[in-house]
Amino acid sequence: GENVEQHPSTLSVQEGDSAVIKCTYSDSASNYFPWYKQELGKRPQLIIDIRSNVGEKKDQRIAVTLNKTAKHFSLHITETQPEDSAVYFCAASANNDMRFGAGTRLTVKP
Amino acid sequence: SAVISQKPSRDICQRGTSLTIQCQVDSQVTMMFWYRQQPGQSLTLIATANQGSEATYESGFVIDKFPISRPNLTFSTLTVSNMSPEDSSIYLCSLSGGTGSTDTQYFGPGTRLTVL
Repeated sequence: GENVEQHPSTLSVQEGDSAVIKCTYSDSASNYFPWYKQELGKRPQLIIDIRSNVGEKKDQRIAVTLNKTAKHFSLHITETQPEDSAVYFCAASANNDMRFGAGTRLTVKP
Repeated sequence: SAVISQKPSRDICQRGTSLTIQCQVDSQVTMMFWYRQQPGQSLTLIATANQGSEATYESGFVIDKFPISRPNLTFSTLTVSNMSPEDSSIYLCSLSGGTGSTDTQYFGPGTRLTVL
C-alpha cells in the first residue's frame, strides 16, 4: 500500500520568512496530492491540492510542487504570518484511497 | 462545499461500554470515511462507509470493534465497542464526491473520545 513520509516534523520560522515542507510517496498509482492545515482543536482544512498532470500550483502565498518521477511533492509558504502556525499534513491518494503523512508542526514567530 | 456535522462533539466513557458517533451531511455524497487521530498524531483511516453494504475496513481495524452503518448518502455512524483507554482519540468522518472533485476529502469537526 501507499506510504507517505513527511519532513520536517517541526519547523520554526520568523514572520516574513518562507517555509517548505516536503513529502515523498511510494505508490506510483497515486495521482492526487492534497495538503491540509489543522489548527489546535480544529478539523483538518484543505488548503491546496495538486494532481499528477500538473507540476506546480499556486494560490496567493502558498504553492505546491510535484515531481512524479522522484515521487515527491512540497508545500511552500511565502511571507509567513503568525496565523500560519498550525500542523500541516500532506496526503497522497489513488482511487479515493488517501494516506497521510505524519504532519509538520509549523511555528511562525512574530 | 457540504456542511458536515458530527455528534457528539466529545464524550467521556467508562471502559467496557460502547459509543456511537453520528456523521450527517447536508447534501448527497458518494464516499464517506471514518478516521482516527490519536493525540499529536496523523490521521489513520479506519474504514470506508459504503452505502447499503458492509464497510471496507483497513488493516488493523475490524467490524466487531468498529461497526459502521451508512443507510443513505447523507448519514453514517461509527460505533466504538467495548472501549478501553487506548481508544481515547479523536474520530473524524470525511466525505468526497459532493459538488467538488470526486477525490477531494472534507472533514467533519470530529468527536473527542476519552475512555476512563
